[in-house]
Amino acid sequence: AQSVTQPDIHITVSEGASLELRCNYSYGATPYLFWYVQSPGQGLQLLLKYFSGDTLVQGIKGFEAEFKRSQSSFNLRKPSVHWSDAAEYFCAVAPSGTYKYIFGTGTRLKVLA
Amino acid sequence: DAGVIQSPRHEVTEMGQEVTLRCKPISGHDYLFWYRQTMMRGLELLIYFNNNVPIDDSGMPEDRFSAKMPNASFSTLKIQPSEPRDSAVYFCASSPGLLNQPQHFGDGTRLSIL
Repeated sequence: AQSVTQPDIHITVSEGASLELRCNYSYGATPYLFWYVQSPGQGLQLLLKYFSGDTLVQGIKGFEAEFKRSQSSFNLRKPSVHWSDAAEYFCAVAPSGTYKYIFGTGTRLKVLA
Repeated sequence: DAGVIQSPRHEVTEMGQEVTLRCKPISGHDYLFWYRQTMMRGLELLIYFNNNVPIDDSGMPEDRFSAKMPNASFSTLKIQPSEPRDSAVYFCASSPGLLNQPQHFGDGTRLSIL
């Protein structure tokens, strides 16, 4: 069965530091890949998506993600974190040709001033 | 444009009562999804519709749960009778009828069953 793993439940970084959130998936073919962010009491906001083509994708709020087929990974990065980035981040996978998203368990980011 | 609109934002009710959650998708979106989010199980897809027709309800946990979409601009998720283990945040999402277009989420309904 398809699955998505976000190995880090919590991550704490200092403001201005770089950030990398990990996401690994289990699926035979290349799926559609997404990163969403959820602030407290809010819904999920799309940061970026990958369907095909360039494996480095740019998103909103200065985030980027790189798809690595050999590692079945889609890690999210930001070169300099801002205090407003504190939130929970979800990686999601949709097997090609389907509308059913499979979400990871999320990584909660804390930013220290 | 308005995003996905869910109501109510919060619902507190007693066990055994009927609960109805409402969702208005983004205009022009052909797909509508209902999710449940809990600490234990994370985000789970319950059911999704295409052009008002339920396509996959394999995630609906029990017969106590039902969902309808009477028209393109409105959907309901009903729990009858409700139980404390149904307490969760329920999200509605919608997307256009293209596979390479992402889902857009509402702000959710936080449901507490006492």
